[in-house]
Amino acid sequence: EAQVTQNPRYLITVTGKKLTVTCSQNMNHEYMSWYRQDPGLGLRQIYYSMNVEVTDKGDVPEGYKVSRKEKRNFPLILESPSPNQTSLYFCASSYRADPFTNEKLLFGSGTQLSVL
Amino acid sequence: KQEVTQIPAALSVPEGENLVLNCSFTDSAIYNLQWFRQDPGKGLTSLLLIQSSQREQTSGRLNASLDKSSGRSTLYIAASQPGDSATYLCAVRRTNAGKSTFGDGTTLTVKP
Repeated sequence: EAQVTQNPRYLITVTGKKLTVTCSQNMNHEYMSWYRQDPGLGLRQIYYSMNVEVTDKGDVPEGYKVSRKEKRNFPLILESPSPNQTSLYFCASSYRADPFTNEKLLFGSGTQLSVL
Repeated sequence: KQEVTQIPAALSVPEGENLVLNCSFTDSAIYNLQWFRQDPGKGLTSLLLIQSSQREQTSGRLNASLDKSSGRSTLYIAASQPGDSATYLCAVRRTNAGKSTFGDGTTLTVKP
């Protein structure tokens, strides 16, 4: 079954304690992306990756890091989490979009992060 | 900077009604527009994707249209059911295909 898998589903941590949220897809997708969803602010893009070793900033990259060492994995790293990073995080993937493809963006189930 | 707006923010209708959800965007230089459904506490489920060269897509009771020149898309839901109750989001994939912008969503309630 084609899927995007995020772990963990829920995470509570304290300010400053480094954490990693994992994201894995089994569809050989080139494109992967991270979003955060906050009440009143909607879904905002953090980072994206067009392919292995290619990453770029979205609209809200501050305080986050990503890596794309292999095609299937795209972890989100918070080196020193702060309370304003408390949010619902989503990972998504797709084949590389261009005007001639019709590949949909597929989402993981989300990770609810609370930073105390 | 691309901005995506969805109106209304919330909509309540009786079962069986046909309804239209709206999505507008400020920059017409897009690759595609995708409609999603999100149930409370859950992830996003893709409904329809319209390429920039297309005018509409249909899936079952759902029909999505795209007018790039006016920066608008609509999602038409026919014969609504209580199971359609959810938040519906539209997302625009920008020309470089890397960045995407989401609307804030329309929360739909279909009453039995």
